[in-house]
Amino acid sequence: GENVEQHPSTLSVQEGDSAVIKCTYSDSASNYFPWYKQELGKGPQLIIDIRSNVGEKKDQRIAVTLNKTAKHFSLHITETQPEDSAVYFCAASKNYGQNFVFGPGTRLSVLP
Amino acid sequence: ETGVTQTPRHLVMGMTNKKSLKCEQHLGHNAMYWYKQSAKKPLELMFVYNFKEQTENNSVPSRFSPECPNSSHLFLHLHTLQPEDSALYLCASSQQTGDYGYTFGSGTRLTVV
Repeated sequence: GENVEQHPSTLSVQEGDSAVIKCTYSDSASNYFPWYKQELGKGPQLIIDIRSNVGEKKDQRIAVTLNKTAKHFSLHITETQPEDSAVYFCAASKNYGQNFVFGPGTRLSVLP
Repeated sequence: ETGVTQTPRHLVMGMTNKKSLKCEQHLGHNAMYWYKQSAKKPLELMFVYNFKEQTENNSVPSRFSPECPNSSHLFLHLHTLQPEDSALYLCASSQQTGDYGYTFGSGTRLTVV
């Protein structure tokens, strides 16, 4: 079955700097890759996603890149702000949304 | 508020108790899910319901019993749980299974003593 790894497990950056979180997946049939943000006391919230027919997607300060050959995808956050502090989860699925496999999460701390 | 409401937010129960978790969504979604989130472990899918019908049971022990009376409500009935079942239980919904992205509730923090 699918296996999703995520690195780093914790990440601290200064406010205004960029943050990058990387995920690798094992099943080449996976075709949909969402990223979720989970703030303290809340459930995960979808922040950006990418499908396998696209190499990069951007939404304001966040972007996701996908390398299908290497089977990895990354979340990029620019100009980080304290409110970006949260746990970020990547996920992969086949059949565009069925049977998500989640990564273990990255705890991002943005220091003022 | 995401549109998916879970109650209670916190629950402490003994191993011999019977309790139920409730999830409600008013997003018009037809698929609902139960996930278990334990410390330092990836989110684990437990159950999937699509149009009130259970379509997936991810090898979950029988001490967890789901119920989906309609597309807007999902329950997780708990009985004779173990301390290792302590976790955050998250409910999610989507337009249908196979739909892009889920909307999660805030979860029920369950502690089994």
